[in-house]
Amino acid sequence: GENVEQHPSTLSVQEGDSAVIKCTYSDSASNYFPWYKQELGKGPQLIIDIRSNVGEKKDQRIAVTLNKTAKHFSLHITETQPEDSAVYFCAASPRMDSSYKLIFGSGTRLLVRP
Amino acid sequence: DTEVTQTPKHLVMGMTNKKSLKCEQHMGHRAMYWYKQKAKKPPELMFVYSYEKLSINESVPSRFSPECPNSSLLNLHLHALQPEDSALYLCASSQKSGGSGNTIYFGEGSWLTVV
Repeated sequence: GENVEQHPSTLSVQEGDSAVIKCTYSDSASNYFPWYKQELGKGPQLIIDIRSNVGEKKDQRIAVTLNKTAKHFSLHITETQPEDSAVYFCAASPRMDSSYKLIFGSGTRLLVRP
Repeated sequence: DTEVTQTPKHLVMGMTNKKSLKCEQHMGHRAMYWYKQKAKKPPELMFVYSYEKLSINESVPSRFSPECPNSSLLNLHLHALQPEDSALYLCASSQKSGGSGNTIYFGEGSWLTVV
């Protein structure tokens, strides 16, 4: 089955710097890769996603890149702000015939220092 | 409006109690999910309902019993739980469950403590 590895487990950056979180997946049939942000005491919130027919997607300060050959995708946050501090999860969706399933990475705790 | 509403936000129950978690969405989504999340871990899938029918049960113990009364509602009935079942229980929904690439939206979760 699909396995998603996420690095680093913790990341501390200065406000205004960029942050990069990387994930690799094992199932070459996976074709959908969302990223979720989870603040303390809250549910995961989708921040950006990418499908396998696209190599890069950007939404303001957030971008995601996908390398299907290497089975690797990354989240890039530019001009980080203290409110970006949270746990970020990547996920992959293996191709399923009847039901949809997300396999999550282990999470990255991002701390943005003011 | 991408909103999944869960109640209660917090629940404390004894090991002999029977309680239920409730979830509601009004986005017209036809797939609904229950996930369990332990501290500092990613969410783990428990159940998937597709068009009000149970389509995935990830080998969840029978002390957890899901129910989908209609396309907007999802319940999780709890009975004879163990302290290790204490966790954040997340409900989620997506437009459909067949095929890939359907965005899954999560609720804020119900914090369950079993004493």
